[in-house]
Amino acid sequence: NAGVTQTPKFQVLKTGQSMTLQCAQDMNHNSMYWYRQDPGMGLRLIYYSASEGTTDKGEVPNGYNVSRLNKREFSLRLESAAPSQTSVYFCASSAGQGIGNTIYFGEGSWLTVV
Amino acid sequence: GENVEQHPSTLSVQEGDSAVIKCTYSDSASNYFPWYKQELGKRPQLIIDIRSNVGEKKDQRIAVTLNKTAKHFSLHITETQPEDSAVYFCAASRAIVGKLIFGQGTTLQVKP
Repeated sequence: NAGVTQTPKFQVLKTGQSMTLQCAQDMNHNSMYWYRQDPGMGLRLIYYSASEGTTDKGEVPNGYNVSRLNKREFSLRLESAAPSQTSVYFCASSAGQGIGNTIYFGEGSWLTVV
Repeated sequence: GENVEQHPSTLSVQEGDSAVIKCTYSDSASNYFPWYKQELGKRPQLIIDIRSNVGEKKDQRIAVTLNKTAKHFSLHITETQPEDSAVYFCAASRAIVGKLIFGQGTTLQVKP
């Protein structure tokens, strides 16, 4: 049982390049999330998807786009990477978006923009 | 905007002692307060959570207390062990479980 799977685990990008972080969950969850974690800080929500077909901005959405491809998959795209986007990215999912649901995190993706 | 302040940023205790980490939140509508443990290079791991209709919750050596009037909540770890060493994050949200505002983290070191 894989849970939440993120790819790639490590990536180095040049400023201005684009890339997509992939996330898939096998728990039949409705809600999915993308967070970033900068060194020495807590996680910050970038975007979330309450259910298939919907996406909403979180705390720090600028510079990112997301796609809820289907119920399993939720991708995060950087169209023109900037050094400020160097961070660890965590995807997560929960059965529902209401309080009382447990959030399951992926293992993280380390992104460096040079 | 919404904010969660966490103190202290670092905490060093002897094995067997207790550790207390405190958080203050700004959004009075927050109703869910989880605590996460994160080891170096790993994903956050939920260790305990509390909802706004409860004042205290305990799970073995870990307890969380909530004071809604003062808008603060605390994590208490008793009989600390070296494997408790990690970074601990508090968080708060309302309505949407994943729409969390995190504190800045506390690095806990438990010395054998």
